[in-house]
Amino acid sequence: NAGVTQTPKFRILKIGQSMTLQCTQDMNHNYMYWYRQDPGMGLKLIYYSVGAGITDKGEVPNGYNVSRSTTEDFPLRLELAAPSQTSVYFCASSWQTDLRGEQYFGPGTRLTVT
Amino acid sequence: DQQVKQNSPSLSVQEGRISILNCDYTNSMFDYFLWYKKYPAEGPTFLISISSIKDKNEDGRFTVFLNKSAKHLSLHIVPSQPGDSAVYFCAARGVGAGNNRKLIWGLGTSLAVNP
Repeated sequence: NAGVTQTPKFRILKIGQSMTLQCTQDMNHNYMYWYRQDPGMGLKLIYYSVGAGITDKGEVPNGYNVSRSTTEDFPLRLELAAPSQTSVYFCASSWQTDLRGEQYFGPGTRLTVT
Repeated sequence: DQQVKQNSPSLSVQEGRISILNCDYTNSMFDYFLWYKKYPAEGPTFLISISSIKDKNEDGRFTVFLNKSAKHLSLHIVPSQPGDSAVYFCAARGVGAGNNRKLIWGLGTSLAVNP
């Protein structure tokens, strides 16, 4: 199993541009998450999904959109990129019934907006 | 307003000694506490967890202790190895459903284990 994969690994955007961060998992997890981690900070939840067709906002959703058309894929869309969105983005997935809430993470996408 | 606090940004220990990483929380509405380990340029990986109804959980060299009255948990690594050098995050899972069930993360503690 590849686990959780994310593309691209790095990206530089100009202010106002848009892009989609891709996330795929092959563990048949029904829960998926997008986090951002700013330098020296913990992870903040952007959006999450409890299954195909169902998404909901996390703590910091402004400036982002998501969709979940399949169990495997959970892309994150940035419209009108701003310098405040410079961060490392992590996608994660988990089982709904996991007792302890363990999440499996991808390697991250480092995004710089200039 | 940080609900999960890791007050030590960094820790340095000698190989073979014990590493103790601390975490405090301010909200009693958590049912699980988890520790994740993160190497540079990688995503966090799950290390060990503890239920809020327990006070200790052990897995090999890793033990987590929970003191509910003090709202404090600690991760002990014995013996520490150079490969343990990483950033360690404490996370707490909220009770309830939906957004309340999310993980709340501390800022992390960078552990350096010196040979």
